[in-house]
Amino acid sequence: AQSVTQPDIHITVSEGASLELRCNYSYGATPYLFWYVQSPGQGLQLLLKYFSGDTLVQGIKGFEAEFKRSQSSFNLRKPSVHWSDAAEYFCAVGDYKLSFGAGTTVTVRA
Amino acid sequence: DSGVTQTPKHLITATGQRVTLRCSPRSGDLSVYWYQQSLDQGLQFLIQYYNGEERAKGNILERFSAQQFPDLHSELNLSSLELGDSALYFCASSPSTLAGGRTDTQYFGPGTRLTVL
Repeated sequence: AQSVTQPDIHITVSEGASLELRCNYSYGATPYLFWYVQSPGQGLQLLLKYFSGDTLVQGIKGFEAEFKRSQSSFNLRKPSVHWSDAAEYFCAVGDYKLSFGAGTTVTVRA
Repeated sequence: DSGVTQTPKHLITATGQRVTLRCSPRSGDLSVYWYQQSLDQGLQFLIQYYNGEERAKGNILERFSAQQFPDLHSELNLSSLELGDSALYFCASSPSTLAGGRTDTQYFGPGTRLTVL
């Protein structure tokens, strides 16, 4: 069965500081991996995805993620956080049926 | 803006009632997916349609049903509503189903917030 674990429910980070959100997955085959962001009252916006190839994936808004098969991880990073990055972030795995983690809420303090 | 539209944005109804949620996929996308986001269950896959045919089912209750029409828009019907059905319902679409049943990136709509009183 496929599943995703996001160990951090809530992270607070200062504006301008770096951010790393953890994601561990369980999947039987080569995974399709995604990070989505949900701002309050909004839908899910795709940040980036990994299907195959280069394990370091660049996304929108300055985000990147690294796929590590040996650790079953797909952590999301951003070198310098902006106040507008405050949102809930979801890691997902799967193909036609996506399994989502519980989400990590990011708070950005001035 | 993902290009996926959902109506209505908000829906308030009473227990026992029936509602229909509507989704229009991105232009050219053949697959439509429905997800439910609730506080206790998180984001859960309900069902997928591909070019009018049901392709996959997740944890969808028997009281819920969906269909995809020839113009590719989809509707999710929820009946005999219970308080626990209150949630945000997302529709997503993707271009196609790839070989071996694997699919392309899913783009999500803004969701319909259903409140059952």
